[in-house]
Amino acid sequence: EVQLVESGGGLVQSGGSLRLSCATSGFTFSGYWMIWARQAPGEGLHWVASVKQDGSEKYYVDSVKGRFTISRDNARNSLYLQMSSLRAEDTAVYYCARYTESWHTFDYWGQGTLVTVSS
Amino acid sequence: QSALTQPRSVSGSPGQSVTISCTETSSDVGVYNYVSWYQQHPGKAPKVMIYDVSKRPSGVPDRFSGSKSGNTASLTISGLQAEDEADYYCCSYAGNYIWLFGGGTRLTVL
Repeated sequence: EVQLVESGGGLVQSGGSLRLSCATSGFTFSGYWMIWARQAPGEGLHWVASVKQDGSEKYYVDSVKGRFTISRDNARNSLYLQMSSLRAEDTAVYYCARYTESWHTFDYWGQGTLVTVSS
Repeated sequence: QSALTQPRSVSGSPGQSVTISCTETSSDVGVYNYVSWYQQHPGKAPKVMIYDVSKRPSGVPDRFSGSKSGNTASLTISGLQAEDEADYYCCSYAGNYIWLFGGGTRLTVL
């Protein structure tokens, strides 16, 4: 069974840092692109960042470039999002998701972890 | 500002059909036919219902169907059931491993 479990969310002050983790199981993690998406309270979904299977390519939405870093550890089957210089507008539930290239879609999602940035 | 525009809400009675539209306002997005639709119940993770415009993952009822005409993709749910009440998001690949989501549509089953 494919599972993605996020952790690391919490309350942080504006300008602070936080590292999110996504532990995966049930599939060959190293064979998939992975992404982080977020959803502000009462708002819609937004893609945040994506990373290639071997970590050699990374892409970010403009609003987090230079502040967030996506990474992965294929030996630990884990995905990470290092967030720094956090702002109130980064407050959201953060989801990790698996991207299946043959389907061009995110076919498995975690349950999310809430990040609250206080100003 | 999202390049994918969805209606904020739609509604229908049990047994009826509803269609949710997703209009691409950016020409870059329209180059690809990689449109997905996700269902999200309150407090839950998104679930893919349609991928590649019209393909349905196993386990998704055939009441759910997708299509695209020009720059507008559509999700149609026929034979509405109470459990279909949820938020629905379209998502399109915009190139360079960047994706755009629509603003979401709240489906209410009356």
